[in-house]
Amino acid sequence: DAKTTQPNSMESNEEEPVHLPCNHSTISGTDYIHWYRQLPSQGPEYVIHGLTSNVNNRMASLAIAEDRKSSTLILHRATLRDAAVYYCILRAPYNQGGKLIFGQGTELSVKP
Amino acid sequence: SAVISQKPSRDICQRGTSLTIQCQVDSQVTMMFWYRQQPGQSLTLIATANQGSEATYESGFVIDKFPISRPNLTFSTLTVSNMSPEDSSIYLCSVSESFGTEAFFGQGTRLTVV
Repeated sequence: DAKTTQPNSMESNEEEPVHLPCNHSTISGTDYIHWYRQLPSQGPEYVIHGLTSNVNNRMASLAIAEDRKSSTLILHRATLRDAAVYYCILRAPYNQGGKLIFGQGTELSVKP
Repeated sequence: SAVISQKPSRDICQRGTSLTIQCQVDSQVTMMFWYRQQPGQSLTLIATANQGSEATYESGFVIDKFPISRPNLTFSTLTVSNMSPEDSSIYLCSVSESFGTEAFFGQGTRLTVV
């Protein structure tokens, strides 16, 4: 299973943008890059995913490096409710199980 | 999106007993997975629940300890057998339509073994 590397923790100020980095140098050509977050006492929540191109949705943006060895999750304006653990995950193709293997994630704290 | 109902939401069990956790989805899904999250830790994949066949277990997890059933495309159970205090964790069910789409997670079952 391909691995990801994320900083253990990051801090942000409310209303400011947050850039959460993820390194995945062993990514294969068919791995999707997924991001999930887990708020305290809740199950993980989907944030965004992509394969090669940058992606935007109502929650965040995902910037993928041209060589796909790294990606960045961008929260455009952090709120206190964005405080969570953010997981960057490489998802294998269905014929390899389609599993989501979680790493340690980045704990994001947001200061008012 | 898929809505997942996990039961029970929490339980306190005696060591040596077994607990069966249910995962019900409001739509048919291709993939179902079971995870364990120990206190203060990330999620660890236990197994992939395969419809109509035996589950596929990850390294360190065995069928005798964590038997899994998946009788159809909307339901699965995970049993934690012969429990010890080390099994105290949150157990989560996850579903997905395909590897190219998002996964959804239940709220988890908080298990305490005394």
